[in-house]
Amino acid sequence: GQQVMQIPQYQHVQEGEDFTTYCNSSTTLSNIQWYKQRPGGHPVFLIQLVKSGEVKKQKRLTFQFGEAKKNSSLHITATQTTDVGTYFCAGRDYGQNFVFGPGTRLSVLP
Amino acid sequence: KAGVTQTPRYLIKTRGQQVTLSCSPISGHRSVSWYQQTPGQGLQFLFEYFSETQRNKGNFPGRFSGRQFSNSRSEMNVSTLELGDSALYLCASSFLAGAYNEQFFGPGTRLTVL
Repeated sequence: GQQVMQIPQYQHVQEGEDFTTYCNSSTTLSNIQWYKQRPGGHPVFLIQLVKSGEVKKQKRLTFQFGEAKKNSSLHITATQTTDVGTYFCAGRDYGQNFVFGPGTRLSVLP
Repeated sequence: KAGVTQTPRYLIKTRGQQVTLSCSPISGHRSVSWYQQTPGQGLQFLFEYFSETQRNKGNFPGRFSGRQFSNSRSEMNVSTLELGDSALYLCASSFLAGAYNEQFFGPGTRLTVL
């Protein structure tokens, strides 16, 4: 079945440093979504990517969808303590259910 | 708009019992999905309902079942509970069903099986 992997599993950064998490699928995806879950909270939708090679920006966050629609990345510029949490990608291949990646847990040291 | 609500928020059961969890989606949303979240397995898809019909089902045993009512509220039921069923059960609603819809998650129900 479809598998979605994310690396790294954990990332500790100093406030102000950049952060990137990578998401890789074993199958071609129709679209990919990114969610953020704060400690003790629930996942919150960040963005959706649909087109091959698509790049979207939200303030300090940049999201990319690979040309082959099998991988994606989330980059945060100049991290802040409010960025702390676990970032999940979720992909659905054509006709299947959403599969969430295991997440990347980000810690930001002030 | 009120967000997705889930009841109860916390539940303690013993092995062999059954449990019913409830989810009320955002007003106007007709699709409800259920997920199980554990530290070891992450977020795993259970099932998706739209207009009272189950559209998709994840790879879980038949002990896990669900339903959706005409007002879009949904329930999931787990029978013959096992220790491994201890998890955070999350419900997510979206306006329509399908891959391209943003999901809004509820706070979850934390189930502990003793």
